[in-house]
Amino acid sequence: QSVLTQPPSMSAAPGQKVTISCSGSSSNIADNFVSWYQQLPGTAPKLLIYDDDKRPSGVPDRFSGSKSGTSATLAITGLQPGDEATYHCGTWDRGLSAVVFGGGTKLTVL
Amino acid sequence: QVRLVQSASELKKSGASVRVSCKTSGYTFTRYDITWVRQAPGQGLEWMGWISPFNGMTNSPRSFQGRVTLTTDTSTSTAYMELRNLRSDDTAVYFCAREGYDSSEGAYDIWGQGTRVTVFS
Repeated sequence: QSVLTQPPSMSAAPGQKVTISCSGSSSNIADNFVSWYQQLPGTAPKLLIYDDDKRPSGVPDRFSGSKSGTSATLAITGLQPGDEATYHCGTWDRGLSAVVFGGGTKLTVL
Repeated sequence: QVRLVQSASELKKSGASVRVSCKTSGYTFTRYDITWVRQAPGQGLEWMGWISPFNGMTNSPRSFQGRVTLTTDTSTSTAYMELRNLRSDDTAVYFCAREGYDSSEGAYDIWGQGTRVTVFS
């Protein structure tokens, strides 16, 4: 059971917008920066968002991150078939003294 | 080009140890910490700890303390993860990753391709 809670799956049509939630607590998300990763089947995760809302160079601005209190959100606009992947959130947890992740959200682009 | 290249898949018997390597290139090895993350089949990501190639400092979660050892060889720019007393639930893909940003824990900008470790009894 993961410390951070994500919906196991979501689906949306090409061109639409989807928001993926990541729920935590005062010991993790509320006090620390959140990162988001995209993982295509059989590959390593790829960093999409760090420091809650920053994009590494090369990540399209269709991907954006935000945070409020103990929850973080990844938004993807203009969905493309290539966005079909599993998305993970992660952050530091000061109570556990560990990096913690969500269970991952499998996004299907219909 | 920054790259992290991991060692090949491993098949191990319960109770044995495994050592996974992560050879880096394309950047100054001692400038960035290396983290290890694993992913059991069909599961999410699990953090195993980090090491500073600069000074050798490490940090691992309590769930792995006593079973995992993280080391680096600065002469070859390679990081190593050893996991001892393997159990069937250690079957997973093990990733090394570079901590690319000083500002936050958990922001890994470059990843190795993963090493599959299978534990059998």
